[in-house]
Amino acid sequence: QSVLTQPASVSGSPGQSITITCTGTHTDVGGFQYVSWYQQHPGTVPKLIIYEVTNRPSGISSRFSGSKSGNTASLTISALQAEDEADYFCSSFTSYATLVFGGGTSLTVL
Amino acid sequence: EVRLVESGGGVIRPGGSLRLSCVTSGFSFANYGLSWVRQAPGRGLEWVSGISYGGDTTGYADSVKGRFTISRDNAKNSLFLEMDSVRVEDTALYFCARDYSTFEWLVKGIWFDPRGQGTPVTVSS
Repeated sequence: QSVLTQPASVSGSPGQSITITCTGTHTDVGGFQYVSWYQQHPGTVPKLIIYEVTNRPSGISSRFSGSKSGNTASLTISALQAEDEADYFCSSFTSYATLVFGGGTSLTVL
Repeated sequence: EVRLVESGGGVIRPGGSLRLSCVTSGFSFANYGLSWVRQAPGRGLEWVSGISYGGDTTGYADSVKGRFTISRDNAKNSLFLEMDSVRVEDTALYFCARDYSTFEWLVKGIWFDPRGQGTPVTVSS
C-alpha cells in the first residue's frame, strides 16, 4: 500500500491551465476506474472534486477535469483562479480493498 | 444537514489505547460506508481504515493493521476507531468521512463534513 506519487508543487498564472499527475501501479490506479481527487485549503477539511476518474460532484466547477492513462491519473484545472490555490490529493481504490492517497501537490497561483 | 462530529482524541503515551468516536446525523447512516482518515501536522492525507455500509467488510492501512479496529453502531449512527499499541507516528488529526455514494464502499470517493474539525491524537512519552 504505497503512497501514490504526485509532484510536490505546481504553479500557474490566472487564466492558464495546469495539470497534476498521480502515479500508482496496476494494483491501484491502473487496475480500477476508481480515482478521486480532493482539494484542501489551509485549515479546512478535504473537499471531493473528482470521483471515478472523470466525474464531478454536484457544485464542482467544470474547470476541474480528470483523466487516466495506464497507471497515471491526471487532474486538470483550466482558467486558473486565485481561489484554486490549495493542496490537491489523489486517491485510488486498491486491489486490497483499501484506499490509498497521493502525497499531495501544492498549487500556487502566481 | 449532514454532520460528522469526531471526538475522543487526546494525549497518550506510546503503547497506550484510545477510542475515537464519530457521531453522525442528517443522512441514512446504514446506507453508507465510512472511513477514518488522518493528517499529521503539515503532512498529507492517510486513509487509516474503512467499514462497508453493511459492516461486514473492513479494511486497514498496513501502518495500523493489527493495532486499530474499526466498528459502527447503526442504532446510534456512530462510527468508532479503537486504537491499541499506539506509536509516536500515529500522531495526527483524525477525520471521519462518509462514502460519497450509497451502497458503494470507497469506489466513488469519500466525503468530509465541511464543518468537521477532526479529533487530534498526540502520542508522546
